[in-house]
Amino acid sequence: GQNIDQPTEMTATEGAIVQINCTYQTSGFNGLFWYQQHAGEAPTFLSYNVLDGLEEKGRFSSFLSRSKGYSYLLLKELQMKDSASYLCAVRDVETALIFGKGTTLSVSS
Amino acid sequence: GAVVSQHPSWVICKSGTSVKIECRSLDFQATTMFWYRQFPKQSLMLMATSNEGSKATYEQGVEKDKFLINHASLTLSTLTVTSAHPEDSSFYICSARDPRGMAYNSPLHFGNGTRLTVT
Repeated sequence: GQNIDQPTEMTATEGAIVQINCTYQTSGFNGLFWYQQHAGEAPTFLSYNVLDGLEEKGRFSSFLSRSKGYSYLLLKELQMKDSASYLCAVRDVETALIFGKGTTLSVSS
Repeated sequence: GAVVSQHPSWVICKSGTSVKIECRSLDFQATTMFWYRQFPKQSLMLMATSNEGSKATYEQGVEKDKFLINHASLTLSTLTVTSAHPEDSSFYICSARDPRGMAYNSPLHFGNGTRLTVT
């Protein structure tokens, strides 16, 4: 079956660094995506990993270990506007994405 | 700017009526579009894959006669919620992949979603 796990909620303060973990078990694997979603809005694309290792894009980085079925999203220099849900999604053999339940991040001052 | 447009943004309807939601790809042709549903504080659940010129593929547990999907052109897919009930109240989001990129690393572009409330 398909299973994607991530923590339900996390809290952090402005300027800090936070790591959101994601583990997955899927029938196929053609890449792992991270999306950000603010309440009532559509998800927006953050990052993509298909090979093991770290991908860095500004304040956001994403890591993948395929052998462990594990990824994390690293957010640096947190800002209040980073308060949102972060969705881990896996593309299996088709082009659709399978989403985890999302991690709600609350950033306080 | 937005590459996938979804309409309407929100709709309130009475129980037993039908609601149509449109999803358009704005600057690319999408042979495949995806319809997701999201309940409060839940993640996106794939409902069906809309295929241009052929029947949609529904995920297990999704009633194809209740959620009618039509993908009549390369830029438009519609989802019709028939005989809506209060339990159908949810956030419906469509998405598409720009085929001009490599399939394996192209993210899905999402519409802004439709908030459906059935009274």
